[in-house]
Amino acid sequence: KQEVTQIPAALSVPEGENLVLNCSFTDSAIYNLQWFRQDPGKGLTSLLLIQSSQREQTSGRLNASLDKSSGRSTLYIAASQPGDSATYLCAVRPGMNTDKLIFGTGTRLQVFP
Amino acid sequence: EAQVTQNPRYLITVTGKKLTVTCSQNMNHEYMSWYRQDPGLGLRQIYYSMNVEVTDKGDVPEGYKVSRKEKRNFPLILESPSPNQTSLYFCASSLRDGAEKLFFGSGTQLSVL
Repeated sequence: KQEVTQIPAALSVPEGENLVLNCSFTDSAIYNLQWFRQDPGKGLTSLLLIQSSQREQTSGRLNASLDKSSGRSTLYIAASQPGDSATYLCAVRPGMNTDKLIFGTGTRLQVFP
Repeated sequence: EAQVTQNPRYLITVTGKKLTVTCSQNMNHEYMSWYRQDPGLGLRQIYYSMNVEVTDKGDVPEGYKVSRKEKRNFPLILESPSPNQTSLYFCASSLRDGAEKLFFGSGTQLSVL
């Protein structure tokens, strides 16, 4: 059974730091992996989606990498800002024949000025 | 504006009183699903729908019903709510275009007393 783990559960950093959020999954046979941002009262927003054949995706200051063989993904945030404060969730799609996502429990990030 | 709309945002009810949480999307997405989010457990899929009149169970379907009579709407029905259904609920939708980037509603916080 696929399990997704995110460590750390919470992270507090000063503004301007580059930081890495980690996501690990137990079954390497995934179809794709998404990173989401969750703000209180605003639901989830998809940040980056990496297909199983890809190694990384970039959007602005965000870079997500995928290493399927080791069951790991990282979300790199460059030059963090207070506006980046949110909970970050990763989710894997187990296969092409299912649209279900399996979520990690998230990393709560606080960036202070 | 492309969006997934859930109503209500907050709901307090009593055990056994039937309720419906509505979900509507304006992006002509085929795929819609419901998740619940609980502390320490992350998001778990309740039900999903691949298209009109096609629905299937997710990981935690007990105590819930859904229907998909129109493409844009996917209501979640709790026939006889119980306190263990107190949770934060999210509706999501996506195109079935190979990427399946998921769009989420803002959530419904349900409390069953």
